[in-house]
Amino acid sequence: EVQLVESGGGLVQPGGSLKLSCAASGFTLSGAAMHWVRQASGRGLEWVGRIRSKANNYATSYAASVKGRFTISRDDSKNTAYLQMNALETEDTAVYYCTRLSPGYGNSFDYWGQGSLVTVSS
Amino acid sequence: QSVLTQPPSASGTPGQRVTISCSGSSSNIGSNFVYWYQQLPGTAPKLLIYRNNQRPSGVPDRFSGSKSGTSASLAISGLRSEDEADYYCSAWDDSLSGLVVFGGGTKLTVL
Repeated sequence: EVQLVESGGGLVQPGGSLKLSCAASGFTLSGAAMHWVRQASGRGLEWVGRIRSKANNYATSYAASVKGRFTISRDDSKNTAYLQMNALETEDTAVYYCTRLSPGYGNSFDYWGQGSLVTVSS
Repeated sequence: QSVLTQPPSASGTPGQRVTISCSGSSSNIGSNFVYWYQQLPGTAPKLLIYRNNQRPSGVPDRFSGSKSGTSASLAISGLRSEDEADYYCSAWDDSLSGLVVFGGGTKLTVL
C-alpha cells in the first residue's frame, strides 16, 4: 500500500526556518517526482514546488511565492523527500502536503500525505 | 487569488445532477489537461479525474469531467450525501506563475 507521511511541522517565528520530511512507503521513491502543495486554513490548494527523479537530474521548480526561500530535496536511499523552509513569513502558515506525481494517471497527484501544519507567528 | 476560477459553492439534493465549472486561460487549461480533486472535511485531497475526463480505478462513474477551450467542468450525477466535500480543479501551466495551478475550490453541499 502506498503511503506518504509528513513530519516536522510546528510553530516558528517570522524569519525562522523549518524542515518538513515526507517518508514514502509502498513504492520506490527513486522513480517518482515529488511535489509539495499547501493549504492555508479555510483556503484553497497552492502548489509549492517539485523535485524530479534522478533520471531527470533531480530538477526542482518552485512557485513564485516561495522561490529563493524554500528548497526541496530528496534522499532516495531513505525513501524520503524534504521541504526546507527559510525566511518564513506569516503568509506561509498552512498545512503542507507532499504528493506523488502519478506514474499511471497522467501528470496527476495520485497519493497525498496526511499533511503537516506549519504555523508562523510571533 | 487562484489562477483557475471556480464558483465558491454548489448544492443539490440526493439523486440530482450537479456541475462545477472551472475557468482558466490559454497557458493552463487551454493547452494542458485538467484534473479534479475531492477533499472531504479534515482529509487530504483525493484524485477524482485525470486528463480531462478519465477516472482512476475506484472512482464511481457518477463522476465525469469535460473540457472545452479554456474551461472545464465536473459533473456529479446521482448525488449522494457522501459527495459533500470541496472540489478543486487543477492544470499544469506554461507561464511563469508556476508549474501547477489550482482553482479556489467549490464547496458542494448535499441538501
